[in-house]
Amino acid sequence: GAGVSQSPRYKVAKRGQDVALRCDPISGHVSLFWYQQALGQGPEFLTYFQNEAQLDKSGLPSDRFFAERPEGSVSTLKIQRTQQEDSAVYLCASSLSGGRPKDTQYFGPGTRLTVL
Amino acid sequence: AQRVTQPEKLLSVFKGAPVELKCNYSYSGSPELFWYVQYSRQRLQLLLRHISRESIKGFTADLNKGETSFHLKKPFAQEEDSAMYYCALNPNSGYALNFGKGTSLLVTP
Repeated sequence: GAGVSQSPRYKVAKRGQDVALRCDPISGHVSLFWYQQALGQGPEFLTYFQNEAQLDKSGLPSDRFFAERPEGSVSTLKIQRTQQEDSAVYLCASSLSGGRPKDTQYFGPGTRLTVL
Repeated sequence: AQRVTQPEKLLSVFKGAPVELKCNYSYSGSPELFWYVQYSRQRLQLLLRHISRESIKGFTADLNKGETSFHLKKPFAQEEDSAMYYCALNPNSGYALNFGKGTSLLVTP
């Protein structure tokens, strides 16, 4: 079946612009995660949803970052007033049930954001 | 604080040679440890997890709580094993994965 999909795959923004990154999880997956992966680094956790509830947003680096999942399916990560340090690959992952550690997280292909 | 350390940024071995990718972690509780792999132009995918005690594609990893390590091993490397490998930790009370910086494995003929 279809895996996690993300769009756009590549995004170039001028500093100060707002961007919106979309994630379509695997159908029926309850949990959804966003990670940020800077060049040469491993992915770093940003935020976690269980259905439409955002249970953890402790990894969001600033109040310019905002994520939502209003109907418990598609999620959008929004970054306002982008800065050069926001340049990274943004990964979305989903897992079947309530975020228990034993659930495998399935990753999307990522969105590569470049802020000029 | 949780931390995952992969000391090698790049590891190059010949085909047929044994390979070991190192992973050390710091966590006061009993974490769950994973290895994720990313082949060229593919997405990140789970390779194996310590609780399953399984061998995937010939790779194994044993959790050593005394040394706080979870090294990934394969006795005979293959060219198709060339990829980026990430060790990740999941605290037993949480859900977010804490990744190391990754090791790029290059298997040459």
